[in-house]
Amino acid sequence: AQSVTQLDSHVSVSEGTPVLLRCNYSSSYSPSLFWYVQHPNKGLQLLLKYTSAATLVKGINGFEAEFKKSETSFHLTKPSAHMSDAAEYFCVVSDQWGADNDMRFGAGTRLTVKP
Amino acid sequence: NAGVTQTPKFRVLKTGQSMTLLCAQDMNHEYMYWYRQDPGMGLRLIHYSVGEGTTAKGEVPDGYNVSRLKKQNFLLGLESAAPSQTSVYFCASSLNRALNTEAFFGQGTRLTVV
Repeated sequence: AQSVTQLDSHVSVSEGTPVLLRCNYSSSYSPSLFWYVQHPNKGLQLLLKYTSAATLVKGINGFEAEFKKSETSFHLTKPSAHMSDAAEYFCVVSDQWGADNDMRFGAGTRLTVKP
Repeated sequence: NAGVTQTPKFRVLKTGQSMTLLCAQDMNHEYMYWYRQDPGMGLRLIHYSVGEGTTAKGEVPDGYNVSRLKKQNFLLGLESAAPSQTSVYFCASSLNRALNTEAFFGQGTRLTVV
């Protein structure tokens, strides 16, 4: 069974500085990987996804993530943080050939952006 | 575009009461899911459905029941609410398997059981 670990429960950055949210996964087969963002009192919105195509995936709002199979990682980055990026971020893993209910969410990383 | 709509948005229940949460999607998606979100635990799958008339258990199904009588609706029921069911509940839908396709989420229902 697959699983995902988000290495930081809380990350704090200053506006204009880079963002790094770390995610490691465990998967028996070929994983699909996703990053979702949740703003306060809102539902989850897809930022980007990896599905065995290009290893560097670009998403919305300037975010990108790189799939590194050798490190079993899928870290989320952004060159320059904006105040509106403050939210909770979830890394999600799923096996492409797994069962229908096999999406697994990480515990989440809360991103704080200081002015 | 409505997307995924959950009702109600907030609810307070007394222990032992029952209630039903409604999820409606207007995207003709086959798959629908109910999750609960608790601090420090991410989202955990309660039940899911791969099509009209079908339901299946997820990771934490105990104390919940579901029904998918119509393709666009997925109902989550609590027969006898317990304080441990205090949580934020999210419904999601996807075109088919939520692998290469995006899962769309509702706004959530904040449930408190006292």
